[in-house]
Amino acid sequence: GDSVTQMEGPVTLSEEAFLTINCTYTATGYPSLFWYVQYPGEGLQLLLKATKADDKGSNKGFEATYRKETTSFHLEKGSVQVSDSAVYFCALSVNQGGKLIFGQGTELSVKP
Amino acid sequence: GAGVSQSPSNKVTEKGKDVELRCDPISGHTALYWYRQSLGQGLEFLIYFQGNSAPDKSGLPSDRFSAERTGGSVSTLTIQRTQQEDSAVYLCASSPRQGAVTEAFFGQGTRLTVV
Repeated sequence: GDSVTQMEGPVTLSEEAFLTINCTYTATGYPSLFWYVQYPGEGLQLLLKATKADDKGSNKGFEATYRKETTSFHLEKGSVQVSDSAVYFCALSVNQGGKLIFGQGTELSVKP
Repeated sequence: GAGVSQSPSNKVTEKGKDVELRCDPISGHTALYWYRQSLGQGLEFLIYFQGNSAPDKSGLPSDRFSAERTGGSVSTLTIQRTQQEDSAVYLCASSPRQGAVTEAFFGQGTRLTVV
């Protein structure tokens, strides 16, 4: 079945460090890919998305490129801030408007 | 409303009791999802409603779990004969229009504790 696998956390970085959170997927169809973020005490919200191969989603300094050949959608940010501390979820949706399947989440902690 | 609303925000129940969790989606959203988030776990898909189509119930963990969506709007997730392993945060989300890749908007969740 369709699934998403993320790197395990927690990930602890110093402010201004480079961030990569790995995400790979398995899908029977041609999925759309998403990153959601859950800040402490808040609900999940969409961070970025990509709908076809080689698309790059970006928002708030975060980027992820849809790599069909490696079935990956890794999240990157060049310089993290303390305010980026949160749990990050990779997700996919197969077929337009289809259900969202989430990975297990990766907790990021950024220290000053 | 301004966003997805879930009630109650917290629920403590005794093992063996039934509970009902409510979700009010954003007005006009055709898709509605229920997920379960356990401590240290990811988001476990439970059920998905899309417009007038039959719901996708493939994620419901047992026949103690059921959900309905009345009038294409409000949804209720019911857990019968609750067990301690049902303790988790239950999240509801809704999405606008069918047939498009759009974001899901999440509620704050209901924290269920079975004692």
